[in-house]
Amino acid sequence: LAKTTQPISMDSYEGQEVNITCSHNNIATNDYITWYQQFPSQGPRFIIQGYKTKVTNEVASLFIPADRKSSTLSLPRVSLSDTAVYYCLVGANAGGTSYGKLTFGQGTILTVHP
Amino acid sequence: KAGVTQTPRYLIKTRGQQVTLSCSPISGHRSVSWYQQTPGQGLQFLFEYFSETQRNKGNFPGRFSGRQFSNSRSEMNVSTLELGDSALYLCASKVLGLTEAFFGQGTRLTVV
Repeated sequence: LAKTTQPISMDSYEGQEVNITCSHNNIATNDYITWYQQFPSQGPRFIIQGYKTKVTNEVASLFIPADRKSSTLSLPRVSLSDTAVYYCLVGANAGGTSYGKLTFGQGTILTVHP
Repeated sequence: KAGVTQTPRYLIKTRGQQVTLSCSPISGHRSVSWYQQTPGQGLQFLFEYFSETQRNKGNFPGRFSGRQFSNSRSEMNVSTLELGDSALYLCASKVLGLTEAFFGQGTRLTVV
């Protein structure tokens, strides 16, 4: 599985746009890029997944350049409730085997300030 | 639609004891996987099951075991508990081949 590198932590303020970048230099041709969000003492929650270019849903956008060696999760107008850990996963089928195995990195701790 | 249910939510055990954790997946989900989360090691994969068969296992000692029943519910067991087994144990379920995994709220195990 491709190794991912993310910033350990980020700070932002309410109403700002937050961009979290993930590096995955050895991404394979059939790998997808997936992001999960986790609040303290809860299980991770799927945010978004993409293969190339741009994907947008009601929560976030995911930007993937042509070489796919990195990706950026964009959270528009964050609020205090967006304070969480964000994980970038890379691999076939949501960063894991087709059955369910997911390989999590260290994640990025996002703190949103008032 | 009910989410992934894990029981119990909290558990305190003594060193040397054994513990069984339960996970009920979302209806229709037949793939269940387990994870251990600690402050030092982060989220680590334990094992995954599909159709009552273990499909993959993480790098954990044999004291950690699991099983899946015909209704897709899963249990994991830890024998001879050690202080280092204190963690949040998370279960996730998904539809085979689809991308999104759904996690339960976890079981917080404290070994004293």
